Amino acid sequence: SQQGEEDPQALSIQEGENATMNCSYKTSINNLQWYRQNSGRGLVHLILIRSNEREKHSGRLRVTLDTSKKSSSLLITASRAADTASYFCAPGGSYIPTFGRGTSLIVHP
Amino acid sequence: EAQVTQNPRYLITVTGKKLTVTCSQNMNHEYMSWYRQDPGLGLRQIYYSMNVEVTDKGDVPEGYKVSRKEKRNFPLILESPSPNQTSLYFCASSPLAGGYNEQFFGPGTRLTVL
Repeated sequence: SQQGEEDPQALSIQEGENATMNCSYKTSINNLQWYRQNSGRGLVHLILIRSNEREKHSGRLRVTLDTSKKSSSLLITASRAADTASYFCAPGGSYIPTFGRGTSLIVHP
Repeated sequence: EAQVTQNPRYLITVTGKKLTVTCSQNMNHEYMSWYRQDPGLGLRQIYYSMNVEVTDKGDVPEGYKVSRKEKRNFPLILESPSPNQTSLYFCASSPLAGGYNEQFFGPGTRLTVL
């Protein structure tokens, strides 16, 4: 299995600020996905970026992918209290993706 | 509505009493998997299934069994639960095997083994 490692483990910001979290992985991928988990609930898919893409946007989310560095970043702009959650990356491909420990984001109102 | 359902949502049981957590998806997905989530350890995959009658071990399969007799169902069986299996469990499915598609997660089952 291929596991992504998220960094930082925890992030605390004020509402309106931007939040950036990073993901590193070890082997070649076909795509990389980001998921959100609200406390105690199932993961929800946010965005998928393919290996031939460098940047992708979805609403207030911006994801970048650098396959040469085997890393990705998720930027949430103008954060809201409702963005408080854990965020996981999942490097994807021909193997089974697994999830790391995630980044715990707290957005203070 | 497209969804993954799990039952029960909450379960308190005692050591050694066999239990089954059901998982069902209505999206005709080939791939299904089970995860457990523990504080500080993130999500760890228990078992996965590429299709009917095809299952394989994930990272932490000890103490668990699964079966995939129908495409829509993927039950998780604990033959003799122990306290270290107290955890939050998630079932997930995706259209195809491997990591090419997003996974859809169930709401979770919180299991306590006394």
